[in-house]
Amino acid sequence: SAVISQKPSRDICQRGTSLTIQCQVDSQVTMMFWYRQQPGQSLTLIATANQGSEATYESGFVIDKFPISRPNLTFSTLTVSNMSPEDSSIYLCSVEGGTGHYNEQFFGPGTRLTVL
Amino acid sequence: AQSVTQLGSHVSVSEGALVLLRCNYSSSVPPYLFWYVQYPNQGLQLLLKYTSAATLVKGINGFEAEFKKSETSFHLTKPSAHMSDAAEYFCAVIPGFQKLVFGTGTRLLVSP
Repeated sequence: SAVISQKPSRDICQRGTSLTIQCQVDSQVTMMFWYRQQPGQSLTLIATANQGSEATYESGFVIDKFPISRPNLTFSTLTVSNMSPEDSSIYLCSVEGGTGHYNEQFFGPGTRLTVL
Repeated sequence: AQSVTQLGSHVSVSEGALVLLRCNYSSSVPPYLFWYVQYPNQGLQLLLKYTSAATLVKGINGFEAEFKKSETSFHLTKPSAHMSDAAEYFCAVIPGFQKLVFGTGTRLLVSP
């Protein structure tokens, strides 16, 4: 299994500002995923980040609002731009593990964001 | 659309009682199914996964789940609940050549 760390673990931000969340993995991985978990709800995939290419965004998420960087095989960042209270959520990164074709994903501890 | 449904947003059991968390999926192709647990203020941890091998899958912490194709179900069980099992549980599916899709989650409450 992969060990994933995220920074910051939590933050309180003012509306209109931006926050960059870092995700570090202890091994090289091809794909990294960013999820949003709104209060009391399930996880929603924001985008898939491959090293060396543009991130692929899911319906309802756009690059201008959630720019993603993937500079190498162990690191990624997600920026939440021009924040509003509706962006208050837990943001989680994950990676695929295992040796099969359809593998489980391993998750970081999450970043708990509150926007005032 | 491919999806997964978890019946019951909250399940309450007494310590030592059977835990049963329900998950049904819809998929036109054989799915890959997972159960994750999220403890308070933590990320998700994989409990177990089904990938077309044995239909009864054993996971960590005494949990197991049975894949029943005829019922399109993958319910999670544990014979005897412990206080430390209190958490949010998510069923998830990879329906064919697609991305992981999560259910809405079930919060397990364990009383003494």
